[in-house]
Amino acid sequence: GAVVSQHPSWVICKSGTSVKIECRSLDFQATTMFWYRQFPKQSLMLMATSNEGSKATYEQGVEKDKFLINHASLTLSTLTVTSAHPEDSSFYICSARAVAGESGEQYFGPGTRLTVT
Amino acid sequence: SQQGEEDPQALSIQEGENATMNCSYKTSINNLQWYRQNSGRGLVHLILIRSNEREKHSGRLRVTLDTSKKSSSLLITASRAADTASYFCATGKAAGNKLTFGGGTRVLVKP
Repeated sequence: GAVVSQHPSWVICKSGTSVKIECRSLDFQATTMFWYRQFPKQSLMLMATSNEGSKATYEQGVEKDKFLINHASLTLSTLTVTSAHPEDSSFYICSARAVAGESGEQYFGPGTRLTVT
Repeated sequence: SQQGEEDPQALSIQEGENATMNCSYKTSINNLQWYRQNSGRGLVHLILIRSNEREKHSGRLRVTLDTSKKSSSLLITASRAADTASYFCATGKAAGNKLTFGGGTRVLVKP
């Protein structure tokens, strides 16, 4: 149980275009989903926290107008990278939590590798 | 920002040996978790230890937590080539629901 999927697993896009990444909890309802980005050989950096039905909370330094997050249902959150640039190339990982409130186990998706040319 | 610092950054051992990595953090926590990541893949949850616990076991994994020193250790016993991966600690604060990740330890287990 507790499987999280991401789609696509990799994507190449041209500079200036937008890319949407989906994160789905397959066998549980996720009250909270998290989006991270990871550069090669580095750790995960939290970008934003999204709760179903409300606006995402972005971490300091993350442009909310560039990284649009939608969490319209308890099983789906999307991250849209708008007007992508080569520096946005990264590994994007989502995670989901089933229980709202206190910290607990997060279930991670397999990640999406974005390359902007 | 990263709360956890992991030590060592990289570790190379022979199959069958034990691997130990440490994680230090700066502020109070509700729990600390360890994750494994194979190259280019997502994270796999290994173990969660709460702030009122001192030690936890799961198979070949042993995790300790010393809240007075703000540190944790992960021990992998009788390592296998398949244990080759990056290992991350992550801390969860009591007041929120975010995880803050450490820098990770890259472990190479040579057959």
